[in-house]
Amino acid sequence: DVQLVESGGGLVQPGGSLTLSCAASGFTFSTYWMSWVRQAPGKGLEWVANIKSDEREKYYVDSVEGRFTISRDNAKDSLFLQMNSLRAEDTAVYYCARDFRYDAKRYFDLWGRGTLVSVSS
Amino acid sequence: DIVVTQSPGTLSLSPGERATLSCRASQSVGSGYLAWYQQKPGQAPRLLIYATSSRATGIPDRFSGSGSGTDFTLTISRLEPEDFAVYYCHQYESSPLTFGGGTKVEIK
Repeated sequence: DVQLVESGGGLVQPGGSLTLSCAASGFTFSTYWMSWVRQAPGKGLEWVANIKSDEREKYYVDSVEGRFTISRDNAKDSLFLQMNSLRAEDTAVYYCARDFRYDAKRYFDLWGRGTLVSVSS
Repeated sequence: DIVVTQSPGTLSLSPGERATLSCRASQSVGSGYLAWYQQKPGQAPRLLIYATSSRATGIPDRFSGSGSGTDFTLTISRLEPEDFAVYYCHQYESSPLTFGGGTKVEIK
């Protein structure tokens, strides 16, 4: 099956760190850009970061720039999000998503089920 | 940054009725870079429409998308019970990638 499965969420204190993982299967992971998208409780979707297939380009939303790092291991079909200096406002479900970027079309065509990150003392 | 605004915030309709959802971008978005997602409670978003008007795999033809430039529309021709959900439009024209705030389609 083509799927993305996130893991690594949990409860962390403000200022703490957490690393999320996303395991991809059923497709050639190494050829796709990948993203993290989050959703705070009861709120809408917010794109967090994305990374090119060869890891040469990475982009972040301003609110996480300098605190979060997106990375990938194409040999293990895995995507990561290292989150440092966590704040209460980072509390959200974090989704891993596959970026479709071909033929002058761009969108997220595959989503994981998400992992919950709660930042609280 | 491209700000994406959806209206209305909530749409109260009955099964069988037509739903029209609006999405407006603060700057022009290319037709290939505007998508719509459906999200039901407790579930991940699901791709509904890509490139403004193309239905994703398995999406019934009662869903249609249209628009250009800064104004886009998602239309559900006849609401089925499973269509009551939140819908998000999304621009992939430029970084930071942004979503609209969502339109909740609820049962009247």
